[in-house]
Amino acid sequence: AQSVAQPEDQVNVAEGNPLTVKCTYSVSGNPYLFWYVQYPNRGLQFLLKYITGDNLVKGSYGFEAEFNKSQTSFHLKKPSALVSDSALYFCAVRPPSSYKLIFGSGTRLLVRP
Amino acid sequence: EAGVTQSPTHLIKTRGQQATLRCSPISGHTSVYWYQQALGLGLQFLLWYDEGEERNRGNFPPRFSGRQFPNYSSELNVNALELEDSALYLCASRSLRGQETQYFGPGTRLLVL
Repeated sequence: AQSVAQPEDQVNVAEGNPLTVKCTYSVSGNPYLFWYVQYPNRGLQFLLKYITGDNLVKGSYGFEAEFNKSQTSFHLKKPSALVSDSALYFCAVRPPSSYKLIFGSGTRLLVRP
Repeated sequence: EAGVTQSPTHLIKTRGQQATLRCSPISGHTSVYWYQQALGLGLQFLLWYDEGEERNRGNFPPRFSGRQFPNYSSELNVNALELEDSALYLCASRSLRGQETQYFGPGTRLLVL
């Protein structure tokens, strides 16, 4: 079955430190990969995507993600976390020949001052 | 450019009633998706509409239905409401002109009492 795993329910990091939110997927073929962020009582906000090309993708608000095909991973990173980055982050995959998104369970990022 | 809009923001119903949720996509987007975000169940794909037709549906009972209008806006109808239908319902739109990203609205929070 096709699935997306976000192994950490919560990630805690101090402001100014680098952050990583992990995502691995189990999808056959070459899927499209996405990261979204959700602030309290809000919808999902698109951060970045990987379709093809360079394995390091840059997105909004200083976030980037690294695609690793051999490890089927797409980890979200930021060199220096801000308190305002505290939110719920979702990794999503769009399998080939499909137009729906399969989401991970979400990772809550808490950046402490 | 206006984003995806959804109405109402909140909806309270009782068991057995029907709920109607509405979504207006980004101008120029022809594809509309519906997702359910229920507590403990994560984000699950519900329905996909494109050019007025239902293209795909997720693993939900037939009492979840909808339609897409000629202006590409969409309605989600949930009949015979059950307590477990309480969730945040998110609508997303996508342009078919080579764009892969789904852009989400703020959601409608449905509470079934």
